Amino acid sequence: QKEVEQDPGPLSVPEGAIVSLNCTYSNSAFQYFMWYRQYSRKGPELLMYTYSSGNKEDGRFTAQVDKSSKYISLFIRDSQPSDSATYLCAMSAPGGGNKLTFGTGTQLKVEL
Amino acid sequence: KAGVTQTPRYLIKTRGQQVTLSCSPISGHRSVSWYQQTPGQGLQFLFEYFSETQRNKGNFPGRFSGRQFSNSRSEMNVSTLELGDSALYLCASSPLAGVEAGELFFGEGSRLTVL
Repeated sequence: QKEVEQDPGPLSVPEGAIVSLNCTYSNSAFQYFMWYRQYSRKGPELLMYTYSSGNKEDGRFTAQVDKSSKYISLFIRDSQPSDSATYLCAMSAPGGGNKLTFGTGTQLKVEL
Repeated sequence: KAGVTQTPRYLIKTRGQQVTLSCSPISGHRSVSWYQQTPGQGLQFLFEYFSETQRNKGNFPGRFSGRQFSNSRSEMNVSTLELGDSALYLCASSPLAGVEAGELFFGEGSRLTVL
């Protein structure tokens, strides 16, 4: 079983919808949680970074971490066609340097 | 400010050959990490270098190796290529040694096809 599980999708939603993306993890040592967005033929880019349980908001994006349930979420409000991409959750443990453990990614398509 | 630059972007090799991939981090960044991305396994950590020292290594065979130079540029090498090594190899740089400090900046990757 993988340390980080993520539904691969694909997920297709209409423009303006609220999107919910989720990951579960098994390693309780993970303390740092990130969401990356990857467009086709591009490298991942960081969307959200958090190191505590609770919510963090940045514009249309909200990251939610529940360490007790080992569950993290990314919500996208008012989704746009430009949000169509693969979303990757990633996490790391203290002392792990820049070693990230990624989910396999969820492919999202926002349709007009 | 220039981003992370990886060369070559695309390459095709045959089984048994070796390949060297190059990564130039963002100016001032001293940490370089390498990841392998495949459709089945997703992104998997290969290794991380900071100030020319390997700080961390993933679960890959010894055929995968890397190094970092004094100017922070990094190379990774894969010897005796296998079909399963076909993947997108991503390099990421960071100003500091730990993810606690902030984000990794990824390059666009080198896509390796092994025939």
